[in-house]
Amino acid sequence: EAQVTQNPRYLITVTGKKLTVTCSQNMNHEYMSWYRQDPGLGLRQIYYSMNVEVTDKGDVPEGYKVSRKEKRNFPLILESPSPNQTSLYFCASSPQRRRRGDTQYFGPGTRLTVL
Amino acid sequence: AQSVTQPDIHITVSEGASLELRCNYSYGATPYLFWYVQSPGQGLQLLLKYFSGDTLVQGIKGFEAEFKRSQSSFNLRKPSVHWSDAAEYFCAVDPVNNDMRFGAGTRLTVKP
Repeated sequence: EAQVTQNPRYLITVTGKKLTVTCSQNMNHEYMSWYRQDPGLGLRQIYYSMNVEVTDKGDVPEGYKVSRKEKRNFPLILESPSPNQTSLYFCASSPQRRRRGDTQYFGPGTRLTVL
Repeated sequence: AQSVTQPDIHITVSEGASLELRCNYSYGATPYLFWYVQSPGQGLQLLLKYFSGDTLVQGIKGFEAEFKRSQSSFNLRKPSVHWSDAAEYFCAVDPVNNDMRFGAGTRLTVKP
């Protein structure tokens, strides 16, 4: 089944404790991205990757890191989480990027709480 | 400023009633337009999209949307709502020179 998977689905952590949220897609998509969803703000892009070893900042990159060593995986790293990073996070992928109109396929989301 | 606006944060409709969710955009050129649905605990699923041509677009689950250039709108409609349609709905635009932008979302509650 074609899908985007994220782990963990739920995570409660404390300020400053490094964490990684994994994202994997099995559709051989080139483009992958991370969003955070906050009430009243919709989805905002954190980072995106056009292909392996190519990543770039989205609208809200501060406090996050990403890497793209393999085509299928795009982990999101919070080196020193803070409470304002409490949010719902989505990973997404699409076949190519800057081919306008490509459908993005979303993972199920990771709900992160930073105490 | 470039933006996507969903004016209604929360809408409640009775099961079987019709539904219209509003979306307005502000971009220089007509962007590509999308509606996504997010069911509780799930990721976003594409309902429909508009690129060009016929301004009335049919999607999955009985939804349709109409593009109105003069109003910069792309409203989502369904003739008869089912309880399973309760979810959050996001309008999104894919403009010419920027990455996809999402509206703030409209949460739909369906009354029995």
